[in-house]
Amino acid sequence: AQRVTQPEKLLSVFKGAPVELKCNYSYSGSPELFWYVQYSRQRLQLLLRHISRESIKGFTADLNKGETSFHLKKPFAQEEDSAMYYCALEGGSEKLVFGKGTKLTVNP
Amino acid sequence: DTAVSQTPKYLVTQMGNDKSIKCEQNLGHDTMYWYKQDSKKFLKIMFSYNNKELIINETVPNRFSPKSPDKAHLNLHINSLELGDSAVYFCASSHRGEGGNTIYFGEGSWLTVV
Repeated sequence: AQRVTQPEKLLSVFKGAPVELKCNYSYSGSPELFWYVQYSRQRLQLLLRHISRESIKGFTADLNKGETSFHLKKPFAQEEDSAMYYCALEGGSEKLVFGKGTKLTVNP
Repeated sequence: DTAVSQTPKYLVTQMGNDKSIKCEQNLGHDTMYWYKQDSKKFLKIMFSYNNKELIINETVPNRFSPKSPDKAHLNLHINSLELGDSAVYFCASSHRGEGGNTIYFGEGSWLTVV
């Protein structure tokens, strides 16, 4: 079974501070992992995926198969980063399974 | 030039009514989805269609019936609406490329059942 766990429902940091949103997954095969972001009352947008190993808006995420984690990190948070962040896993069934989301608030 | 568009964006209706939410994508994708986001912001897949064929049907009450007249459209019809159906419903479409399966979401339809 595919499962994604985001242990923090809420995360609050100050502007300029580092931020890490945790994501752990459970899947027996080779997963594809993603981070999606949802700004207030807007559509979900793909932030990044582990296959691309890219950095978007200063965010990075590294897949750690040993720890089954895909934590999202940014060294210096900005106020405009405040949003809901969802970690998601696809196990080859064309179905994305989402974590419950972490609401990030970046305070001035 | 909206990629995935769904209508209506807001819908307030009474219990027991039947309503539909329409979705269209102009990306040429073969796969379309309906996701439900509940009041706790939890996102869960409901259905997935590939080339008009149902491929994923999660444990959703059979009051919910998706219909795909062609691969660019996936509509969601809900019969006998209940209070618990109040949620945001997101349509999405996807294609599988070199970077994996990329899913594009619509703006959501806010359904409120009173």
